[in-house]
Amino acid sequence: EIVMTQSPATLSVSPGERATLSCRASQSVTVNLAWYQQTPGQAPRLLIYGASTRAPGVPDRFSGSGSGTEFSLTISSLQSEDFAVYYCQQYNNWPPWTFGQGTKVEIK
Amino acid sequence: QVQLVESGGGLVKPGGSLRLSCAASGFAFNDYYMSWVRQAPGKGLEWISFISGITTATSYADSVKGRFTISRDNAKNSLYLQMDSLRAEDTAVYYCARGRNWYDYWGQGTLVTVSS
Repeated sequence: EIVMTQSPATLSVSPGERATLSCRASQSVTVNLAWYQQTPGQAPRLLIYGASTRAPGVPDRFSGSGSGTEFSLTISSLQSEDFAVYYCQQYNNWPPWTFGQGTKVEIK
Repeated sequence: QVQLVESGGGLVKPGGSLRLSCAASGFAFNDYYMSWVRQAPGKGLEWISFISGITTATSYADSVKGRFTISRDNAKNSLYLQMDSLRAEDTAVYYCARGRNWYDYWGQGTLVTVSS
């Protein structure tokens, strides 16, 4: 099973600032990685798949990069609605499809 | 628009059973893999099962294999999860989601609580 590790666990950022979240896989997942955003009480929302392809309707302030075992999600200028928990998920080696433990982006 | 609506959650005793349903609309249901993903209270996301669109091939996480059964009725645009031999650690919000590799639409979730 591929283990996904996200860092940091919590990221404190001021509105308008840039945020960079990291995700590491225990073995290569090539570019078979997705990112999700989850706000309290809501279902996850797909942001990125293929490591860098934005899902339809996702603002271009969200960008994904990386390949192999190291990935990042960057939010270029945080808006109030972006304060949430973000999960990465690999789909290269399955089953199981595995998620990271999440990074909470909170208001500084 | 795409909608996924789960139902069937509730309180059940350890060893009991529940059947979750997910009603899909707004897309060609039988063209898509469908999955169940759960989230224990205050915890992260865990994939538990998927089913293919037509051939109904299935796969399960080790944590539920032999206890849970995924199925679908394409005529009714519905996805199901039969959960037997439930344990306290199965307590979670259960989401149905469209897709196999990544999940582009999710339901609102249904809470399953396993407790005596």
